[in-house]
Amino acid sequence: AQKITQTQPGMFVQEKEAVTLDCTYDTSDPSYGLFWYKQPSSGEMIFLIYQGSYDQQNATEGRYSLNFQKARKSANLVISASQLGDSAMYFCAMREFNFGNEKLTFGTGTRLTIIP
Amino acid sequence: EADIYQTPRYLVIGTGKKITLECSQTMGHDKMYWYQQDPGMELHLIHYSYGVNSTEKGDLSSESTVSRIRTEHFPLTLESARPSHTSQYLCASSEAQGEWETQYFGPGTRLLVL
Repeated sequence: AQKITQTQPGMFVQEKEAVTLDCTYDTSDPSYGLFWYKQPSSGEMIFLIYQGSYDQQNATEGRYSLNFQKARKSANLVISASQLGDSAMYFCAMREFNFGNEKLTFGTGTRLTIIP
Repeated sequence: EADIYQTPRYLVIGTGKKITLECSQTMGHDKMYWYQQDPGMELHLIHYSYGVNSTEKGDLSSESTVSRIRTEHFPLTLESARPSHTSQYLCASSEAQGEWETQYFGPGTRLLVL
């Protein structure tokens, strides 16, 4: 079973509009972390934001916020006031807090295109 | 901003050649990782290290090998490159951030084996 599911292969959004990128996850571990990364066409992975499973409030970092709905196992990324430079692939990832399990499990990504 | 470097950024090489992809970080992170990513696809962990002289295989089977002789350096080697090794290879390192460790990535190496 997929641990991280991103159901939107691609999205087109008008500049300055807000955009929500969907991410659902599957884990039986009560302790886990959720991460979002941005990958421009140049290939590097840029860390955007993370949310711990026990965090009471949704994480925010500048124009990025994470809409964390634990009961629904969703961790959607919200980008406010989108800019042309936001065009990129966006990956949701999860790390389960098992000792010795150091890996991040990634989703298949969403390609976001911002239209001027 | 993370200081993690990968060289070369792009490599085109013939089948059968030995190659080493370099990865260095200046942040003193103990943990380092190698991921493989095919174009437009998700990342798969192929190797990781908890520190000097520690290396472990990841989820995705890989013919590559790694070494960790120094904290800052985590090179990946392919003894005999094949076209099936064509991919992007991303190196990362992590620091503890409260309970969760954020992994910071290098710029990647795009490998094409002819």
